[in-house]
Amino acid sequence: EAAVTQSPRNKVAVTGGKVTLSCNQTNNHNNMYWYRQDTGHGLRLIHYSYGAGSTEKGDIPDGYKASRPSQENFSLILELATPSQTSVYFCASGDGGAGGNTLYFGEGSRLIVV
Amino acid sequence: QQKVQQSPESLIVPEGGMASLNCTSSDRNVDYFWWYRQHSGKSPKMLMSIFSNGEKEEGRFTVHLNKASLHTSLHIRDSQPSDSALYLCAAVTNSAGNKLTFGIGTRVLVRP
Repeated sequence: EAAVTQSPRNKVAVTGGKVTLSCNQTNNHNNMYWYRQDTGHGLRLIHYSYGAGSTEKGDIPDGYKASRPSQENFSLILELATPSQTSVYFCASGDGGAGGNTLYFGEGSRLIVV
Repeated sequence: QQKVQQSPESLIVPEGGMASLNCTSSDRNVDYFWWYRQHSGKSPKMLMSIFSNGEKEEGRFTVHLNKASLHTSLHIRDSQPSDSALYLCAAVTNSAGNKLTFGIGTRVLVRP
């Protein structure tokens, strides 16, 4: 089974503070994604990457930055955290096969911004 | 408005019964549909995918696709309490970089 590991699993941050969510995958997948999941909105794509050194904006990128320093690691950065960014964040890797990706998700990072 | 609409929002099914879930995309460029299942407190896991018109069966799960109407449905027969979960439909548009766009989901509760 593909392995995607997120850290931290839980985080409480103060408004205006910087938060970094980290993701590591051992699947050797080129594609990696950051989603947030909120009641009433489902999973929404924030940033994604096609490989080391690349980052692309997803559907809701405002207030977030991403970094892909290596094939295995993909980080989501909140430079100035706001309460509206309180959410559960999921990282995923994808095999990029025909017909789109099968996504393998990490277990999620619960962020509360107070 | 969500590009991927799912219905119903929630569903209660007796154990052994049939659950039917619907999903429609408003993007005419959609190429593929995926179904993911997410148990409470867990991460989503891929359940089934369908790329061509027609039907695909895997065990107790059957997926239908009508590409002309951009509609897919998931049917769970002989539902089990372990099937209680949030079912997420996702659409993929190749021209948009193979990104998956998810619906809000249908929450299924199977009552023993």
